[in-house]
Amino acid sequence: GQQLNQSPQSMFIQEGEDVSMNCTSSSIFNTWLWYKQDPGEGPVLLIALYKAGELTSNGRLTAQFGITRKDSFLNISASIPSDVGIYFCAFGGTSYGKLTFGQGTILTVHP
Amino acid sequence: KAGVTQTPRYLIKTRGQQVTLSCSPISGHRSVSWYQQTPGQGLQFLFEYFSETQRNKGNFPGRFSGRQFSNSRSEMNVSTLELGDSALYLCASSWGGENGYTFGSGTRLTVV
Repeated sequence: GQQLNQSPQSMFIQEGEDVSMNCTSSSIFNTWLWYKQDPGEGPVLLIALYKAGELTSNGRLTAQFGITRKDSFLNISASIPSDVGIYFCAFGGTSYGKLTFGQGTILTVHP
Repeated sequence: KAGVTQTPRYLIKTRGQQVTLSCSPISGHRSVSWYQQTPGQGLQFLFEYFSETQRNKGNFPGRFSGRQFSNSRSEMNVSTLELGDSALYLCASSWGGENGYTFGSGTRLTVV
């Protein structure tokens, strides 16, 4: 089936550093989504991308939909302790109600 | 407006028992999807309901079932529980099944 490869699996950074993570796939998608999950909670949508080449920002977060439609990246600038959590990429739009998630990137921010 | 509400938050069951989890979507949302999250398999799609009809189903055994009521509230049931069913079960709702899904906080099921 369709799968996403998300990297890195985990990151340990100092507060104030910038962070970058990405997702790739062998298939072409029409939608890329980035979610963040805090411990004990459900994922929260950060950014949604609908067009190849689209670059979208949400505060300190920036995400891009790759030109080939097979990849996407998420950047976090000037990280802060509350950025800690698991970040997931996901794609949708291929079948009703189904999102397919990457394996997640665990982010740890040291103060 | 209120978010997606899942009850209960935590549940401990014994192998062989059955369990029912509940999800109340955001008001006006008609699509409800369910996911299982485990450390080993990540987030896996279970099924999706829209207007009381199951439109999509993931690759899970028949022990996993669900339904949706006329007010869009949804329940999922797992029968004959196995240790491997221990997971965080997440419900997500959207207006029509497009990509803008909002997730609940989940139900943490532990099977002993």
